[in-house]
Amino acid sequence: EDQVTQSPEALRLQEGESSSLNCSYTVSGLRGLFWYRQDPGKGPEFLFTLYSAGEEKEKERLKATLTKKESFLHITAPKPEDSATYLCAVQAAGYSTLTFGKGTMLLVSP
Amino acid sequence: GAGVSQTPSNKVTEKGKYVELRCDPISGHTALYWYRQSLGQGPEFLIYFQGTGAADDSGLPNDRFFAVRPEGSVSTLKIQRTERGDSAVYLCASSLAGGDEQYFGPGTRLTVT
Repeated sequence: EDQVTQSPEALRLQEGESSSLNCSYTVSGLRGLFWYRQDPGKGPEFLFTLYSAGEEKEKERLKATLTKKESFLHITAPKPEDSATYLCAVQAAGYSTLTFGKGTMLLVSP
Repeated sequence: GAGVSQTPSNKVTEKGKYVELRCDPISGHTALYWYRQSLGQGPEFLIYFQGTGAADDSGLPNDRFFAVRPEGSVSTLKIQRTERGDSAVYLCASSLAGGDEQYFGPGTRLTVT
């Protein structure tokens, strides 16, 4: 059974204080690993897809990396508007559906 | 362009009633997915359509849940004899094809009293 574990559950940062969120996964053959951002009362917003170990993708202050067992979402010099829940999901080879973790709730204080 | 839309945004119903939740995917997207999200949890897969057919319905919790997509566009999730445990946010997502990145709608918050 595919499993995704995200840590920490919650993270509080000061504006400008860089950090990383972790996503550990077990899957029977990885097709893709996805990162989403979710604001309160809204649906998840797509950020990145990573397909193979060693791959990295960047978008503004966010950078996602992937190894064979985990993915990291690095947040550089965060701003209050980066406050949200960040969700990680895996897609197994041969499947189209996603298995999500519980998310990391990030709060960035000014 | 227009994203995924879902109606209603909120639905309150009494235990035992029947409800229908609607999803309008991004135009041209052939794949459509339903997920359910409880408070403090990540979305949980329910059913996946490729075109008009259900390609994977392994996430439906029991036979009270049913979904259709008759013309390969709009989909309706139907829940019979609702129970308080069905209360959650029901999310719909679509993708260009199966396996591509999924784009989510705002969700329907279902409350069963």
